[in-house]
Amino acid sequence: EDQVTQSPEALRLQEGESSSLNCSYTVSGLRGLFWYRQDPGKGPEFLFTLYSAGEEKEKERLKATLTKKESFLHITAPKPEDSATYLCAVQARGFNKFYFGSGTKLNVKP
Amino acid sequence: DGGITQSPKYLFRKEGQNVTLSCEQNLNHDAMYWYRQDPGQGLRLIYYSQIVNDFQKGDIAEGYSVSREKKESFPLTVTSAQKNPTAFYLCASRTHPLAGSYNEQFFGPGTRLTVL
Repeated sequence: EDQVTQSPEALRLQEGESSSLNCSYTVSGLRGLFWYRQDPGKGPEFLFTLYSAGEEKEKERLKATLTKKESFLHITAPKPEDSATYLCAVQARGFNKFYFGSGTKLNVKP
Repeated sequence: DGGITQSPKYLFRKEGQNVTLSCEQNLNHDAMYWYRQDPGQGLRLIYYSQIVNDFQKGDIAEGYSVSREKKESFPLTVTSAQKNPTAFYLCASRTHPLAGSYNEQFFGPGTRLTVL
């Protein structure tokens, strides 16, 4: 069964304290892994797509990496405005459905 | 401005009522999706449509219905058969599933439905 697990559920950081969020997945042939940011009461905002193990993508303080079993979202020197819930989703080959994790709620204190 | 709009932002439903949530996109996307989000849970797929006049059930379709008469529009009806409809509903779209590239979904702002 295709499955996505994110950890930790919640993460509290001080401003400038770097850390990583994890997304573990089991899927029958990965077609793509997606990271989103979601602010309270709003729709998810697309961040990255990763297609194959070893791939990395960066945007400002965020860097996403992918292995055959998991993805990491590294946050370098976070700022309070990075506070949000970060969602991970996977798409299996041959299917048009996406499976989402339950998210990691990040809180960055000034 | 290209994007996905959902209306209303907040919706209140009485027991036994059917309500319809609107989703419109001007991104020229072929595929559209409806998800339900509950606190502490991931997004769960209700219905999706790859082309006009065609749609498939997702993982939690019971108590919901959809139509896809136009490429731009994918309304969701929450029927009285849905036992626990209070949730945050999200609509998403993406380019044609067979476009040859792995295309991400883009989301609307969501509709929060509350049953009174």
